[in-house]
Amino acid sequence: DTAVSQTPKYLVTQMGNDKSIKCEQNLGHDTMYWYKQDSKKFLKIMFSYNNKELIINETVPNRFSPKSPDKAHLNLHINSLELGDSAVYFCASSRVVLDRGRKEGEAFFGQGTRLTVV
Amino acid sequence: DAKTTQPNSMESNEEEPVHLPCNHSTISGTDYIHWYRQLPSQGPEYVIHGLTSNVNNRMASLAIAEDRKSSTLILHRATLRDAAVYYCILRGRFGNEKLTFGTGTRLTIIP
Repeated sequence: DTAVSQTPKYLVTQMGNDKSIKCEQNLGHDTMYWYKQDSKKFLKIMFSYNNKELIINETVPNRFSPKSPDKAHLNLHINSLELGDSAVYFCASSRVVLDRGRKEGEAFFGQGTRLTVV
Repeated sequence: DAKTTQPNSMESNEEEPVHLPCNHSTISGTDYIHWYRQLPSQGPEYVIHGLTSNVNNRMASLAIAEDRKSSTLILHRATLRDAAVYYCILRGRFGNEKLTFGTGTRLTIIP
């Protein structure tokens, strides 16, 4: 069973189009993330949701809108796609455990969605 | 965010131990040290994490300096499947904080 699954795996689309990437996790985690990895391989966080609430929004253009219908899903909708949006997008979810009163967690990542805007 | 410094690349022979260093001189008292790796064409994968004491799991060992300003990820017997980019990341006390990835160390395994 895939822990964090993203669809589609590949997405090729024209400039100006609107597209969505879906993410689902079956781990029972309460926090989900979207990361972007550009052509230089830098991985950077875009959004984080905890229990369906947005907790991190890292100066991402308004054209990007995450939506979390429930704790197991975090979808990413992108309006008016631009050439610079071409990248690999990774969804992740986080496990939080209690350790001597502290919280710590490990993140599980999906396989990525390679978006190419032409 | 406290930063980490890693060598850009390292090579190691197959079936030999690998020691991947990481410097984090500005680490705070409540920062955990996490290691992730990214195999080619895959998403990042959790490897190990620790706070103060050395840690072992089925994938690797993590040796943390006494002053916590550096750490070393140890792969005891490298295989070709361990070829990946390894990221050393400091993560705050609360587990759902973001992971801030640096440039990592690209590990090449020589057959």
